[in-house]
Formats: sequence, structure tokens, C-alpha cells
Amino acid sequence: GAVVSQHPSWVICKSGTSVKIECRSLDFQATTMFWYRQFPKQSLMLMATSNEGSKATYEQGVEKDKFLINHASLTLSTLTVTSAHPEDSSFYICSARDPVAGTSYEQYFGPGTRLTVT
Amino acid sequence: AQSVTQPDIHITVSEGASLELRCNYSYGATPYLFWYVQSPGQGLQLLLKYFSGDTLVQGIKGFEAEFKRSQSSFNLRKPSVHWSDAAEYFCAVNNNAGNMLTFGGGTRLMVKP
Repeated sequence: GAVVSQHPSWVICKSGTSVKIECRSLDFQATTMFWYRQFPKQSLMLMATSNEGSKATYEQGVEKDKFLINHASLTLSTLTVTSAHPEDSSFYICSARDPVAGTSYEQYFGPGTRLTVT
Repeated sequence: AQSVTQPDIHITVSEGASLELRCNYSYGATPYLFWYVQSPGQGLQLLLKYFSGDTLVQGIKGFEAEFKRSQSSFNLRKPSVHWSDAAEYFCAVNNNAGNMLTFGGGTRLMVKP
């Protein structure tokens, strides 16, 4: 149980275009999902917390107009990188909490999406 | 604010040797602590977690970790490393509201044959 998927697993886009990344909880309903960014050989940095039915909460320094997050259902959150630039190239990882499971403190991670902007 | 420090960026051990990866945290209340492993280009897999109770926790793949409140540490150990253990290891701490998972910088483990 507690499986989180991401789609696509990798994407290449041209500078100036937008790209959408999906994060799905496959076997549980996730009221809260998280989006992380990881640069090569670095740790994960939380970008935003996505709550179903409400606006996402962005961490300091993350441009909310550039990284649009939509959590329209209990099993799906999307991250759209708008007007992508090469510096947005990174590994994006989502995670989700299962509020019904024994503990709500654990986050289940997706496999990540590698974004390359050319 | 909570923080996590993994003092060792890289560690190389011989296959079959024991392993200890260090993790120190800073958090005002009782922390919820995690160790994750990440293979190249992959997501994170949970190795083990500590919420309360026995301070020595067992995880998957033969890993264990010990919570030491007096030292603010949660070191990961394995008695005999296998070549397949080569990966990046992350220690993380969560606040008791479950909303903020803070990661350490990671330790890259290399295993010599």
C-alpha cells in the first residue's frame, strides 16, 4: 500500500514553454501532498505544500506564479512549471501523506520527474 | 526551526564491513525521525523511522538506527554492507504536525568490492 506515482518520469522541453507534472496517490486518499526539488548531488528542498481544495503553501523563495500547483482531487496534485528556463532543470519529487494510516507523520514519495529545459 | 546535519558527504566502505552514517538534528520537541535511501535517478525509499518507544529501531535491508536524545543523533547502522547498498542516504526530521519534513544534506555511500 501507500504507493505514489509521478508522470512523466522524465521530460525535455524548450525554454519558454510550460510543462505539467502529475503526482498521484494510487491506493489512498491524500489530503496533503508535497513538492520537492532536488539539484544534482544535493538534498531535497521543499517547494510547496499542496492541500486538496485550497491554495498551495509555498516555501520562501519559491515563485508561486512560476510553479503552479493544483490539488484538485484527493488523489492528484499537479505541478506546472511555466515559462521554463534552463535553470529550472532539476529532479522534482512529490510525496503524500495518508491521514487514515496509523500515522500521519510519514510521507510516501513518488519516483521523481527529471525535467530538462533546453 | 528544525534542521538536520549529516556530517559525512561521502563514505566508502568495503563490502562486508560495518557501516555507520551519522545524523544530528535540531528540534525543540520530540522529533519524528526518518532515514531514506535514494538510488541514482530514483525516488526515496523509507528505510526506517522513529516516533517513540524503543530507541533502537529496525528497518528494511538489515539497517537499524538508534535515537539518542542526549546527543540529538539518529545514526544509521548496518553490520555488513552489500554492494547493492551503494546509494545516497538521507536523514529527515518531521515536526509533530507532520507538515514539515526537513532533510539533511545526504551521505553518498560507495562500496568497494
